[in-house]
Amino acid sequence: DGGITQSPKYLFRKEGQNVTLSCEQNLNHDAMYWYRQDPGQGLRLIYYSQIVNDFQKGDIAEGYSVSREKKESFPLTVTSAQKNPTAFYLCATSKGQGTQETQYFGPGTRLLVL
Amino acid sequence: SQKIEQNSEALNIQEGKTATLTCNYTNYSPAYLQWYRQDPGRGPVFLLLIRENEKEKRKERLKVTFDTTLKQSLFHITASQPADSATYLCALEGDYKLSFGAGTTVTVRA
Repeated sequence: DGGITQSPKYLFRKEGQNVTLSCEQNLNHDAMYWYRQDPGQGLRLIYYSQIVNDFQKGDIAEGYSVSREKKESFPLTVTSAQKNPTAFYLCATSKGQGTQETQYFGPGTRLLVL
Repeated sequence: SQKIEQNSEALNIQEGKTATLTCNYTNYSPAYLQWYRQDPGRGPVFLLLIRENEKEKRKERLKVTFDTTLKQSLFHITASQPADSATYLCALEGDYKLSFGAGTTVTVRA
C-alpha cells in the first residue's frame, strides 16, 4: 500500500446521496486510476488521469466523477446516478503513462448502500 | 470481444507442492503481461512483468511463462507455503489501459 492512502476504509451511502472517496499519493507518480472490484469479477476501470487537470473515462464511468487538481490527489465521487454502487473501490498510481507501467494500489474503500 | 480468463476454480494445494495458474486471453495482442497478488480486503500488489519476447521469467519461487501463440500465460509457485495463500490476478496491456482477469484464489494447506 505504501505511499497511497484511501479514505475512508468503509463508506455508507444513503439513497440519492453523493459520496466522495479520497485517494492521496506521495510517490510523485504522474498517472492515477480508479477501479471498481465486484466479487468474481476483474478490476474494472472507472476513470484515469495521466497528468494534472486532465482525466479520461474508463470502461464504467457512468454515475461517477473525478477531479485532478493536484498531482497528489484524485478523488472519486459516486453520484446518485450510480444505481448499484456497492463494491470495493481501488485507487492506483503508476510512475508513467504507458500500459507497461507497474501499478501501485491503495488499500481500498468498501462502499455500502444503506 | 476481448476476454481474459483465469482458472475459474480455486486452487487448494499441499504445502511444498507447485501451484500452476493459467491466464488465457482472446482478442488482445499484449506486448506485456503482469501478475499481481491480492490478499482479502486489500489492494493488489505487483509481482512480475513479462514481455512478449521473454518466454519465461523468474523471481524467487515464482515463475511466469508467456506464449503469444497459445495466447496464454502460466504462473507457477514452487515449494508453496501457507503464506502464499491469496488471489492472483493477471493483467494485460490493451489499447490504453491494463485489463485485469478475475483472479484465481490459491489456498496452501500446511
